[in-house]
Amino acid sequence: DAKTTQPNSMESNEEEPVHLPCNHSTISGTDYIHWYRQLPSQGPEYVIHGLTSNVNNRMASLAIAEDRKSSTLILHRATLRDAAVYYCILRDSESYNTDKLIFGTGTRLQVFP
Amino acid sequence: DVKVTQSSRYLVKRTGEKVFLECVQDMDHENMFWYRQDPGLGLRLIYFSYDVKMKEKGDIPEGYSVSREKKERFSLILESASTNQTSMYLCASSFIRPSGANVLTFGAGSRLTVL
Repeated sequence: DAKTTQPNSMESNEEEPVHLPCNHSTISGTDYIHWYRQLPSQGPEYVIHGLTSNVNNRMASLAIAEDRKSSTLILHRATLRDAAVYYCILRDSESYNTDKLIFGTGTRLQVFP
Repeated sequence: DVKVTQSSRYLVKRTGEKVFLECVQDMDHENMFWYRQDPGLGLRLIYFSYDVKMKEKGDIPEGYSVSREKKERFSLILESASTNQTSMYLCASSFIRPSGANVLTFGAGSRLTVL
């Protein structure tokens, strides 16, 4: 399974943009990039995913490098509710029936007022 | 609002007891998963199931078994609980799709302490 590398922790001030990086140098052509986050005392929740093109949704944006060896999750205006652990995960599109995601230890984002 | 419900948020059991962790989803998802989460180790997959009565081992199945008799319910069983199984247990579910676009929906977790 291709692996991802993320910083252990990052800090931001409220209402500032946050760029959370993820390296995945061994990514294959069929791997989707998924981001989940885990708020304190909750299970992980889906944030966004993409394959090659940049993606936007109501929660965040995903910027994918042209060579796909790295990606960045962008929170446009951090709020205190965005303080969480953010996981970058690769999902193999060819594993049709085995939809397992391999979670790493993620990036703990602290947001200060 | 669709969701995954885990029967217990907190459990305390004694070494050697048989423990059942129950998970129910109301989204008609084919796939269901059990993960455990420990500090510094992230989430690790224990077992998953892609159909009723089907199960597959994840990365750390030792000491655990599972049961999926109905599509909506996936149970994790600790036949003889040990202290090293003290952990947060997370259930998740997803549809099967022939692409990498599947999204997992997680429950809130069950924190198990084995004394």
